[in-house]
Amino acid sequence: DAGVTQSPTHLIKTRGQQVTLRCSPKSGHDTVSWYQQALGQGPQFIFQYYEEEERQRGNFPDRFSGHQFPNYSSELNVNALLLGDSALYLCASSFSPRRTGELFFGEGSRLTVL
Amino acid sequence: DQQVKQNSPSLSVQEGRISILNCDYTNSMFDYFLWYKKYPAEGPTFLISISSIKDKNEDGRFTVFLNKSAKHLSLHIVPSQPGDSAVYFCAASVEGAQKLVFGQGTRLTINP
Repeated sequence: DAGVTQSPTHLIKTRGQQVTLRCSPKSGHDTVSWYQQALGQGPQFIFQYYEEEERQRGNFPDRFSGHQFPNYSSELNVNALLLGDSALYLCASSFSPRRTGELFFGEGSRLTVL
Repeated sequence: DQQVKQNSPSLSVQEGRISILNCDYTNSMFDYFLWYKKYPAEGPTFLISISSIKDKNEDGRFTVFLNKSAKHLSLHIVPSQPGDSAVYFCAASVEGAQKLVFGQGTRLTINP
């Protein structure tokens, strides 16, 4: 049973560019959340997708956007990259958006902005 | 505003002894708390959780204690094993909502 898979694992961009990160949820899961983990910090909630709609959003600017596809996979897009966007981006999946409980995380995509 | 705080960035414990990791929170709306463990180059993995209607939850070597009046929770690992060496994150949420608010993490090192 495949867990949460993310791609790419590492990438380097320059300021002002745009990036797209991808996530496939664990089999049987229909809800995807994205988190940003800066160096030395805990993960910070970006947003959650369920039924192809953004359901909850954290304190992130509109440069951060997402999408969920009918097969429940998801993308995170970041426009106009800033140096401060350098971080590990984690995708997490679950059975339902309203079920409080453990999320299953992927290994993350490490983004470096130069 | 850091709503969930882990004030100890690191902790070193001898194998076989008890490891105690602490976490404080400020938002009284939080009613569900979780601990995650993270190894290098891996995503966080769920360890144990507790609802605010309880003050203790056990799972094998792991026990989480919740003190609502002090807005404090702790994770006890007994006995500590070398494989427990990892970064531990405390997280909090509101029941029915999946947005987790994480602490900064504590790096636990178990020495043989």
